[in-house]
Amino acid sequence: DQQVKQNSPSLSVQEGRISILNCDYTNSMFDYFLWYKKYPAEGPTFLISISSIKDKNEDGRFTVFLNKSAKHLSLHIVPSQPGDSAVYFCAASAFTSGSRLTFGEGTQLTVNP
Amino acid sequence: KAGVTQTPRYLIKTRGQQVTLSCSPISGHRSVSWYQQTPGQGLQFLFEYFSETQRNKGNFPGRFSGRQFSNSRSEMNVSTLELGDSALYLCASSSKTGHYEQYFGPGTRLTVT
Repeated sequence: DQQVKQNSPSLSVQEGRISILNCDYTNSMFDYFLWYKKYPAEGPTFLISISSIKDKNEDGRFTVFLNKSAKHLSLHIVPSQPGDSAVYFCAASAFTSGSRLTFGEGTQLTVNP
Repeated sequence: KAGVTQTPRYLIKTRGQQVTLSCSPISGHRSVSWYQQTPGQGLQFLFEYFSETQRNKGNFPGRFSGRQFSNSRSEMNVSTLELGDSALYLCASSSKTGHYEQYFGPGTRLTVT
């Protein structure tokens, strides 16, 4: 039972344009969400998080949007840069589960110069 | 501040052997979580330790165990290795348990032959 899904295995965008990565979840107990990016042979790097009491959080070029009624979140990267090319994972946790994160399958983002 | 460190980075073991992996969290962090990443199953939660106590456990057999020391360093042990245990094992630390940002180490690549 995949509780966090990233339906797009890959996404390709041009440098300078917006990248939008999507994530859906099914567990209504999830109330904290995070995005990570990962390069091959490295551990995931934390990007941005959002609590369910908010619907938007920004940090520099990264903005995460949360739509609780649709159980959907998205990560916007503006402007996209070639160095952003990596696999992006969304992750979710429930208040009752401590630090346990449930991850999506990941989306490979390629930013073309 | 130094990041999360994991040792060893690479390991090759034979079926039936056991292995111990080590993780040193970011200074001041008291929660350590372990994850397994495989191509087929993605990133899956193994367990979390906080203040030397296991707080959460994922759906893995009892061959997978861990512990945490008073300095917050953590070890995980896998006994009676199987071919399917070949994976990237990631450790993540956070300041407390619960809805806090988790920072990952580079991982230990375990190959079982």
